[in-house]
Amino acid sequence: AQSVTQLGSHVSVSEGALVLLRCNYSSSVPPYLFWYVQYPNQGLQLLLKYTSAATLVKGINGFEAEFKKSETSFHLTKPSAHMSDAAEYFCAVSGPERASKIIFGSGTRLSIRP
Amino acid sequence: DTAVSQTPKYLVTQMGNDKSIKCEQNLGHDTMYWYKQDSKKFLKIMFSYNNKELIINETVPNRFSPKSPDKAHLNLHINSLELGDSAVYFCASSQDEGTYEQYFGPGTRLTVT
Repeated sequence: AQSVTQLGSHVSVSEGALVLLRCNYSSSVPPYLFWYVQYPNQGLQLLLKYTSAATLVKGINGFEAEFKKSETSFHLTKPSAHMSDAAEYFCAVSGPERASKIIFGSGTRLSIRP
Repeated sequence: DTAVSQTPKYLVTQMGNDKSIKCEQNLGHDTMYWYKQDSKKFLKIMFSYNNKELIINETVPNRFSPKSPDKAHLNLHINSLELGDSAVYFCASSQDEGTYEQYFGPGTRLTVT
């Protein structure tokens, strides 16, 4: 069975500050990990994904995440927050086998203070 | 040139009615999905189809029936709507199953009164 836990349902940072959104996973098989972003009244958009290659994954809009097996974590970071980053962020996990479904975390709402 | 489209965007209906939500993707993908997002933003997969074959069928009431006339379309039909069905329903598609990036539609907000 697979699951993800996102720590903090709401994170607020100042514009220009570091963004850190936390995600821990549980998986009995080598995991594939994803971060998705959802802007208000829109569908989800893939930010980045880890599929057993490099442990540091760079995504769109300046985001990156590091896969740490020893900590079972896949935290999302961005060095400098922008107002346009305000959105809901979802961590997700799946397995490599056929028909492996993606399990989403409960989401973290990111707010940016001017 | 919308990649994944859903209709309608909003759907308000009364309990007991039957309704359908349509989804179309023009990406040439083989796999399509339906997700339900509740009021707390929790997102859960309902179904997935690969080349018109049902691959994932989560434990959802059998009032929900997906139909895939071809690999570019996956419709969701809901019978005897209940208050608890109120949610945002997202369609998504991917090139293949599992690990490939999923492209999401804009969602259909269903409100059952």
